[in-house]
Amino acid sequence: EAGVAQSPRYKIIEKRQSVAFWCNPISGHATLYWYQQILGQGPKLLIQFQNNGVVDDSQLPKDRFSAERLKGVDSTLKIQPAKLEDSAVYLCASSSHRTGAAHEQYFGPGTRLTVT
Amino acid sequence: GENVEQHPSTLSVQEGDSAVIKCTYSDSASNYFPWYKQELGKRPQLIIDIRSNVGEKKDQRIAVTLNKTAKHFSLHITETQPEDSAVYFCAATYNFNKFYFGSGTKLNVKP
Repeated sequence: EAGVAQSPRYKIIEKRQSVAFWCNPISGHATLYWYQQILGQGPKLLIQFQNNGVVDDSQLPKDRFSAERLKGVDSTLKIQPAKLEDSAVYLCASSSHRTGAAHEQYFGPGTRLTVT
Repeated sequence: GENVEQHPSTLSVQEGDSAVIKCTYSDSASNYFPWYKQELGKRPQLIIDIRSNVGEKKDQRIAVTLNKTAKHFSLHITETQPEDSAVYFCAATYNFNKFYFGSGTKLNVKP
């Protein structure tokens, strides 16, 4: 099966600019996750979708971050305005979440964001 | 919320030796504990996982043990090889909602 796709792979922006990331999960996967991975740290969950509904967004800085998953497939994550501390790799992951399934998370390649 | 702590942050072993990475968690409701391997510049990949109704699981050279009472779980890699060199992350979740990750262990296997 095709894996999780993300774009762009790299992005450099200046602080206070806006940026958007796109994720296409594995076909049929109902659950989609966005993580922020700062260099040297573990992934931190920003938001989790089940189909097109939000399951958890408690760690999403809602004053500057937003995410949507229209039609329950692709998702976009936006940062506006960006801060220096937003420099990180943004990982998208998906899982099938079917009853009895392994619930393995499959990660995309990530988008490396540098804010200058 | 859940807090996952991982030790050590770096681990260097000789090829052929065993490596052990330990994680503790705070929420007794957590019931699924995966381990991921992340090579430099690549995406995390699941290498083994364990559910709370099991105490140990093994897959060839890797094994995971879980102590629910003490709220800790460990990754064991035997007969390490240079290609095992990577960063390893543990995670914990309740019913696959909201995964909490440890801070990672950089494993270096010296040939």
